[in-house]
Amino acid sequence: AQSVAQPEDQVNVAEGNPLTVKCTYSVSGNPYLFWYVQYPNRGLQFLLKYITGDNLVKGSYGFEAEFNKSQTSFHLKKPSALVSDSALYFCAVYNYQLIWGAGTKLIIKP
Amino acid sequence: DARVTQTPRHKVTEMGQEVTMRCQPILGHNTVFWYRQTMMQGLELLAYFRNRAPLDDSGMPKDRFSAEMPDATLATLKIQPSEPRDSAVYFCASVTQREGYTGELFFGEGSRLTVL
Repeated sequence: AQSVAQPEDQVNVAEGNPLTVKCTYSVSGNPYLFWYVQYPNRGLQFLLKYITGDNLVKGSYGFEAEFNKSQTSFHLKKPSALVSDSALYFCAVYNYQLIWGAGTKLIIKP
Repeated sequence: DARVTQTPRHKVTEMGQEVTMRCQPILGHNTVFWYRQTMMQGLELLAYFRNRAPLDDSGMPKDRFSAEMPDATLATLKIQPSEPRDSAVYFCASVTQREGYTGELFFGEGSRLTVL
């Protein structure tokens, strides 16, 4: 069965430190990969996507994600975290259907 | 600034009442999704439409939920009768999607439903 895993329910990072939110997937073929962010009481917002090409994808708000085909991972990263990055982050994979991870709560402490 | 519009934003109702949630997708998007989000279950797909035709509603409790797209500018999700366990935030999202390709989804702000 196809699946997306976000192994951490919550990630805590100090402001100014780099952050990583992990995502691995089990999907056949060459899927599209996405990251979305959800701020409190808001809908999900698109951050970035990987379709093909350079393994490092840059997105909104200074976020980037690294695609690793051999490890079937698509981890979200940011070099220097801001308190305002605190939110719920979802990884999603599309291969003729859209499959969502369970979400990771990111908490950035001042 | 194109956006997905959902109404109502908040709804409090009593068990047994009918609830209708509405969604106006972004003009030109051909695929509309209904999701439900709860703390316990996370994000669940309830149903989705492509070119107004229902493609998958296996995530919906069939006895009480129904979803329709009467036209390209309106999607509805109805619960009748509502139950306390239906309390959740319901999201609509739209996208341009065709076989083997999808753009990024645009989500509405959600309809927060509380069933007493």
